Amino acid sequence: NAGVTQTPKFQVLKTGQSMTLQCAQDMNHNSMYWYRQDPGMGLRLIYYSASEGTTDKGEVPNGYNVSRLNKREFSLRLESAAPSQTSVYFCASSEWGTTADTQYFGPGTRLTVL
Amino acid sequence: DAKTTQPNSMESNEEEPVHLPCNHSTISGTDYIHWYRQLPSQGPEYVIHGLTSNVNNRMASLAIAEDRKSSTLILHRATLRDAAVYYCILYTGGFKTIFGAGTRLFVKA
Repeated sequence: NAGVTQTPKFQVLKTGQSMTLQCAQDMNHNSMYWYRQDPGMGLRLIYYSASEGTTDKGEVPNGYNVSRLNKREFSLRLESAAPSQTSVYFCASSEWGTTADTQYFGPGTRLTVL
Repeated sequence: DAKTTQPNSMESNEEEPVHLPCNHSTISGTDYIHWYRQLPSQGPEYVIHGLTSNVNNRMASLAIAEDRKSSTLILHRATLRDAAVYYCILYTGGFKTIFGAGTRLFVKA
């Protein structure tokens, strides 16, 4: 039982390049999330998927797209990376996404955009 | 929007109790209070959560004020492994979570 896994762990991009961050969970959870964490700050929600087949914008969605590929996998795409997107990205999942639910986080992807 | 306020940092001695405060004066009636912690270079991990009543689990206790405008995470005996950033979070429904900047806990041996 690996929980939430993310790939890659580290990535360096040049401005304008694109890339996809992958996330998978093996807990049969319905809801999945993408957050970013800038230095010295808390996490901010980028996008979430309440259940398979649905996605919605969070607090900071500009410059990102997501795909809920199936119940296990939720990917985050940067179409044209910008230095302002340098951050650590965390994927999380929860059983139903209710206010009483616990979120389980992956280890993060550290992204640098030059 | 509901927000949380926590001290930037706190210090504790090993083996002593730690009380980490959080203010959430604009909390609404259905918002759950969750606490997570983040060890260096790791993702956040769940600690405890509650709605109105005090809660206990193997990791910690959560004391919620009667008016729900503040709460306190209690680590009964701090260890060096408890050194982390602790986040007090409101789950406001609609899949939205409000993370503050958290409290960095330093534990001295």
